[in-house]
Amino acid sequence: SYVLTQPPSVSVAPGRTARITCGGNNLGSKHVHWYQQKPGQAPVVVMYYDSDRPSGIPERLSGSNSGNTATLTISRVEAGDEADYYCQVSDSSSDVVFGGGTKLTVL
Amino acid sequence: QVQLVQSGAEVKKPGASVKVSCKASGYTFNTYTIHWVRQAPGQRLEWMGWINAGEGNKKYSQKFQDRLIITRDTSTNTAYMELRSLRSEDTAVYYCAREVTLYFDRWGQGTLITV
Repeated sequence: SYVLTQPPSVSVAPGRTARITCGGNNLGSKHVHWYQQKPGQAPVVVMYYDSDRPSGIPERLSGSNSGNTATLTISRVEAGDEADYYCQVSDSSSDVVFGGGTKLTVL
Repeated sequence: QVQLVQSGAEVKKPGASVKVSCKASGYTFNTYTIHWVRQAPGQRLEWMGWINAGEGNKKYSQKFQDRLIITRDTSTNTAYMELRSLRSEDTAVYYCAREVTLYFDRWGQGTLITV
């Protein structure tokens, strides 16, 4: 089955830029979606179809997907961005795959 | 507004079954697909399966193929997830989520199942 690989953790100082990666074989040929999950809460979509932002998600968040890597970029990081982030795709057999998740720590 | 409201937490003994409900409101239930996703304590999100609320067709993850049943009741706009032969490793928060063309735009609040 398809595998998505994320770094377990990313740390960044407030005001700097965080980049969270998601790797998979020929990932650029798929649509990647990103979710933010804070402790004790359900996930919330923050990016869909690689680079589309849902309403209410700040423009500081952006996404890209090419080759074998998708990236969620958070500019001007704030304390409120601290959370777990998961990438997700649907594979060719209509199964859903999540990455292992990345814990974003704001220093 | 679109809402998915799940049933409450449950404690089960190994070998038992559990059935979690997910009641939808604020949209036309039978025009979307509902997925079930679980998350063991401190672990990643794990996809379990989906059901097309209109047509009733479904797909299960191979991992749960032999003990998962997903159903829906269009008269009450409710989807259900039943997991049988529970074991300690099934202790997790179970979420339902609404799919909008390959991604999930709404999630239920989660249901903690303790085995």
